[in-house]
Amino acid sequence: DGGITQSPKYLFRKEGQNVTLSCEQNLNHDAMYWYRQDPGQGLRLIYYSQIVNDFQKGDIAEGYSVSREKKESFPLTVTSAQKNPTAFYLCASNDWGQPQHFGDGTRLSIL
Amino acid sequence: DQQVKQNSPSLSVQEGRISILNCDYTNSMFDYFLWYKKYPAEGPTFLISISSIKDKNEDGRFTVFLNKSAKHLSLHIVPSQPGDSAVYFCAASAGNAGNMLTFGGGTRLMVKP
Repeated sequence: DGGITQSPKYLFRKEGQNVTLSCEQNLNHDAMYWYRQDPGQGLRLIYYSQIVNDFQKGDIAEGYSVSREKKESFPLTVTSAQKNPTAFYLCASNDWGQPQHFGDGTRLSIL
Repeated sequence: DQQVKQNSPSLSVQEGRISILNCDYTNSMFDYFLWYKKYPAEGPTFLISISSIKDKNEDGRFTVFLNKSAKHLSLHIVPSQPGDSAVYFCAASAGNAGNMLTFGGGTRLMVKP
């Protein structure tokens, strides 16, 4: 069954900690994306990657980092530099030019 | 500056009636538009899209209308069903179809039995 798996579903972070959110896809898509959703707001693009070993900043990349070492994996690290990390994080993928498919998200909260 | 706006945060309709969700955009470079549906604690799922070369696209109970001169699109759901209750996002891209999407803030649709 093809899809996008995000883990964990819920994540808690202490002040000053870095945390990494996992995103894996078995759709053989070249492009992958990370979005952030805040309550009552739309999705905002953090980072995207069109191909392995390459990625680009989105609209709100500050305080985040990514890697794309494998086609199927696009982990997102929320660093301590991100001052307001509490949000719902969504990963997506697509064949370039086709509608994006989304995972079920990770909700990150600060302790 | 929000380039894609959904001015109605919520909409309530009766089962069997038409639901009309609206979306306005400001960037004249947008040429591809999509609607996504999102249930709580799940990721959005793609519903329907339209290219700027068309003014209407239909898929079963869902129809999207595009008015380029007004920079406005709408999603019509006929007939509405309780299972349609969700948050609907419109999204737009400029020159690259389903990539590099700019999303609106969403409209919560509630369909009452």
